[in-house]
Amino acid sequence: DGGITQSPKYLFRKEGQNVTLSCEQNLNHDAMYWYRQDPGQGLRLIYYSQIVNDFQKGDIAEGYSVSREKKESFPLTVTSAQKNPTAFYLCASSKAPRQGPVQETQYFGPGTRLLVL
Amino acid sequence: ILNVEQSPQSLHVQEGDSTNFTCSFPSSNFYALHWYRWETAKSPEALFVMTLNGDEKKKGRISATLNTKEGYSYLYIKGSQPEDSATYLCASLLISNFGNEKLTFGTGTRLTIIP
Repeated sequence: DGGITQSPKYLFRKEGQNVTLSCEQNLNHDAMYWYRQDPGQGLRLIYYSQIVNDFQKGDIAEGYSVSREKKESFPLTVTSAQKNPTAFYLCASSKAPRQGPVQETQYFGPGTRLLVL
Repeated sequence: ILNVEQSPQSLHVQEGDSTNFTCSFPSSNFYALHWYRWETAKSPEALFVMTLNGDEKKKGRISATLNTKEGYSYLYIKGSQPEDSATYLCASLLISNFGNEKLTFGTGTRLTIIP
C-alpha cells in the first residue's frame, strides 16, 4: 500500500538529548514537510523539502534540523536547543508544487508524540 | 499575521442531523483552500482543494463552498453518521508579507456525532 509512515509512535527525550523522528513515503512525492501541533493551535510548519538534497525553514525551525538524502525519507532531529519539544509531530508529502499558486494536496503520516522526561 | 480561523471549535450533532462549520481566511492574500478530515488515531485525510470564488465541491454527504471575496469557506455534512466524528481542518494557501506562499492551518472544528 502507498503511504507515509512515521516512527516511533511515541518518543521520550531526556534533557540535553537529540532525538530523531523518522518519516518515509512510497508515494513517489517530491515534496515533504514536517509540522508540529500544540494544544489549541493549528499545525505549524517546521521544515519542508521540495527536492532531494534541498530543504527550507518553515515558521518554527529553531531547535530542529532535517536532511533529505533520499526522495523517500525526510528525518527530523529535535536538538537540545529546542527548549519546548513536547508536541505531536506530523510528516506530510505532496507532488512537486506546480508552476503557479495552487499547491498540491498533502498526504499525512500518523504522527509521533514526543515527550520530555 | 495571516490567520486562518475555524468556528466553532467543537460541535455535538445528533445522528441524522445536518451540520456546517466555517473557515475564515484573509481574502487579500488567498490562493487556495484545503479541507482535511482527521479522525482520532489516524492521519489527516484530504477532502477538498478549492481555488475559485464560488467553487463548490462534493464528496458523498460532505460538501464545501468557497467565497474568496469575503474570505470564508463552509463545510456541510448532510445526515450525520457516527463515522463523521473527527476534527475537520482547513488550510489556506496564502501569500505572506514577504511574498512567499505558505499553507496556514486553522485549529480545526472537532465534530462529535451522538448516536
